[in-house]
Formats: sequence, C-alpha cells, structure tokens
Amino acid sequence: DGGITQSPKYLFRKEGQNVTLSCEQNLNHDAMYWYRQDPGQGLRLIYYSQIVNDFQKGDIAEGYSVSREKKESFPLTVTSAQKNPTAFYLCASSMGGKRNEQFFGPGTRLTVL
Amino acid sequence: GESVGLHLPTLSVQEGDNSIINCAYSNSASDYFIWYKQESGKGPQFIIDIRSNMDKRQGQRVTVLLNKTVKHLSLQIAATQPGDSAVYFCAENSGGSNYKLTFGKGTLLTVNP
Repeated sequence: DGGITQSPKYLFRKEGQNVTLSCEQNLNHDAMYWYRQDPGQGLRLIYYSQIVNDFQKGDIAEGYSVSREKKESFPLTVTSAQKNPTAFYLCASSMGGKRNEQFFGPGTRLTVL
Repeated sequence: GESVGLHLPTLSVQEGDNSIINCAYSNSASDYFIWYKQESGKGPQFIIDIRSNMDKRQGQRVTVLLNKTVKHLSLQIAATQPGDSAVYFCAENSGGSNYKLTFGKGTLLTVNP
C-alpha cells in the first residue's frame, strides 16, 4: 500500500520535554511538510522540505525542528521552547511542481500534561 | 462560508440535497486550488483541484467553480450523503508556489438523514 504514515497516533508529553513525531512516505515524493491544526482552525505550515537534506521554515517554525536525511522520512521535533504545543500535527507529501496536490497522513495528537 | 475566528462556518443539509460550500482565497497570484475533506480525527483527503485557466471542473458528484475576479471558490456536492459530513477546506498555492499551500479555516458540513 502506498501512503503516508505517522506515529504515534496519540502522544503525551510533560512540560519541558522534547518529543519527536515520525512521518514516513513511500510515494516517492520529493517534498514533505508538517502542519499544525488547532480546534476549529485551518492548517498552519511549520516546516517543509523540497528535497533531501534541505528544508525551510513555514509560518510557525519557532519551537520546532526537523531533519530530512532520507527521502522517505521527515521527523518533527517539538521542543520545550514551543509555548503551546498541544495540537493535532499533520504530515503531508507532494511531487512538487505546478500541480502541488499534497497527500496527508492520519495525524498525531500531541497533548502536553 | 466566511471565517468568523475560532468558530467554523457550518452548513446543515438534508440527505439527498445539493450542498454548496464557499471559500474566499487571499492571493491573486495563486494559480492552483484544491478542496480537501477532513473527517473528525483524521488527515485531510483530496477531493478535487482546479487550475486558474479553468472556471469549472467536475468530478464524481462534486464540482468546483472558480471566480478569479472576486477570488472565490465553491464546492458543489450533488445528492449529499451522510458520509459527506466532514470539514471541508479550500487551499491555494500561496501566490503561485510550487510547494506551499495556504489553507482556509474550513466549513463544517452536517448531513441530516
């Protein structure tokens, strides 16, 4: 089955701890993305990567970090510097280019206790 | 459905009726638009897309209309079914970007049996 997987589905973290969310895709897509979604809100872009070993900040990158060492993987670390980390996190991938249809994973719900 | 801050616009229809969901986009340089459907607790699913050189595109039971003059998109769902109940988001390719999408806040569609 081709697609995007995110793990875990639910994640609990104590205040002050860093946590890493996993995102893997087997669609052979060059571009990958991380979004944050808060209740009743649209998606806000955290980071994106157009190609392996390269990534750019999105609109709300503060308190987050990413890496892109492999084409298939784009992990997101939520650091203790993120002031309000409780949210639903969505990973996506796309071919890039003019028809930029993004395919989404099932999401990870992070709750800070 | 215009955004009203934290409260999602809502649309309630009877099963079998047609639904029309509206979206105002922000950037006149955007030239690619997508509609996504998001069920509760899941990632967004692609429904239909349209490029700016078109005014209308049809899929299975769905039609997207694009009015570039007033920067407006609409999604029409024919013969709405209970399984269509979800939040619907429009997205634009952020001023013509090959990678970045800007998402609207979404409209909650509820289908009553």
